[in-house]
Amino acid sequence: GQQVMQIPQYQHVQEGEDFTTYCNSSTTLSNIQWYKQRPGGHPVFLIQLVKSGEVKKQKRLTFQFGEAKKNSSLHITATQTTDVGTYFCAGPGGDRGSTLGRLYFGRGTQLTVWP
Amino acid sequence: DAGITQSPRHKVTETGTPVTLRCHQTENHRYMYWYRQDPGHGLRLIHYSYGVKDTDKGEVSDGYSVSRSKTEDFLLTLESATSSQTSVYFCAISESARPGANVLTFGAGSRLTVL
Repeated sequence: GQQVMQIPQYQHVQEGEDFTTYCNSSTTLSNIQWYKQRPGGHPVFLIQLVKSGEVKKQKRLTFQFGEAKKNSSLHITATQTTDVGTYFCAGPGGDRGSTLGRLYFGRGTQLTVWP
Repeated sequence: DAGITQSPRHKVTETGTPVTLRCHQTENHRYMYWYRQDPGHGLRLIHYSYGVKDTDKGEVSDGYSVSRSKTEDFLLTLESATSSQTSVYFCAISESARPGANVLTFGAGSRLTVL
């Protein structure tokens, strides 16, 4: 089953409102990644977090990795129509050897932005 | 993305027929992955490869087999396709499993319909 849980599944906001999606794991993650998939497209890498409590920003996007390295969040300030898409988190499904390569994705949060 | 191609991009087949999807990369990356994407389930890992002839199962491997006889090609085979295998299949590659180098680059996807 899913190693990483992500909520909410859907989020509808008006342009200019903020948006947050949350990712949780039952196990400690060595790192967590975030991807964006535009409608009809393929997932594209946004960022990776590795350190406990890490916070990274990309313009209006803020990514956080929890102190226990079991949760993460993506926050978008003042959404724009270009933010439309599905946002996924992903974490390793193992902690050694080749299992580190077993990357599991959350189910994603589909963001709709009304103009 | 440049460097990773999937074929075919679209396929319609009948229940019980064999199907092979091909992923080809020119990046010389060690890791290759096959995911399937279905509404409400996000991206689920089918199989992955951590080197030539080295493969391992993901979370939804039943009904699928893979082969990697050379670095650049990773084949996904459905021995006898079923309607439940109707999906969009994404291939992805990464340099290694080490945090920082385990970022995935996805292909454009292969849409498979099993009638």
